[in-house]
Amino acid sequence: ETGVTQTPRHLVMGMTNKKSLKCEQHLGHNAMYWYKQSAKKPLELMFVYNFKEQTENNSVPSRFSPECPNSSHLFLHLHTLQPEDSALYLCASSQREAYEQYFGPGTRLTVT
Amino acid sequence: GIQVEQSPPDLILQEGANSTLRCNFSDSVNNLQWFHQNPWGQLINLFYIPSGTKQNGRLSATTVATERYSLLYISSSQTTDSGVYFCAVEAVTGGGNKLTFGTGTQLKVEL
Repeated sequence: ETGVTQTPRHLVMGMTNKKSLKCEQHLGHNAMYWYKQSAKKPLELMFVYNFKEQTENNSVPSRFSPECPNSSHLFLHLHTLQPEDSALYLCASSQREAYEQYFGPGTRLTVT
Repeated sequence: GIQVEQSPPDLILQEGANSTLRCNFSDSVNNLQWFHQNPWGQLINLFYIPSGTKQNGRLSATTVATERYSLLYISSSQTTDSGVYFCAVEAVTGGGNKLTFGTGTQLKVEL
């Protein structure tokens, strides 16, 4: 595997379910990110991790819970989501701040 | 926070035509990237260009940081160029690691 990978690629979940999104980067980077892309809206930064430490939480509701066990892996744990949380969730990584970010293919989430 | 505006919002071209996409931003930046988002949602890196000019095949980009804008040039467009083009910037005063995206330019290249 090369670059940034994300699983699953598609996810349908009910509002009472708990699920997790996984991101893995194979680039040797030190920073990882979660973004949300809703229909008709620009990409929004959700969380930033630098060297496994969370350095940014962009006022994201607590039903989204990130986890970064090491510099190569990033998770987004989901619980009690709302239909308006349906979106494309993109993971990215970079060497460090102000460096080029590389994106994974995204997970398309539908909340029913 | 920093504002990013892209123009035009929509663009339809005949195959073989040239085009220029513009990105204006409201503050000094230390990172500027252009992306192409394909129909499956994948963001493909086109350029990392906080300043200066770069070229890659039929694509080129110029960022004039002092005037707070960047331009993406597409020459001899092909149907495979269709998709959404995003400009994203990281403000110098933003505290690091925060890419702010524009709303994108939706490009359609027709035969």
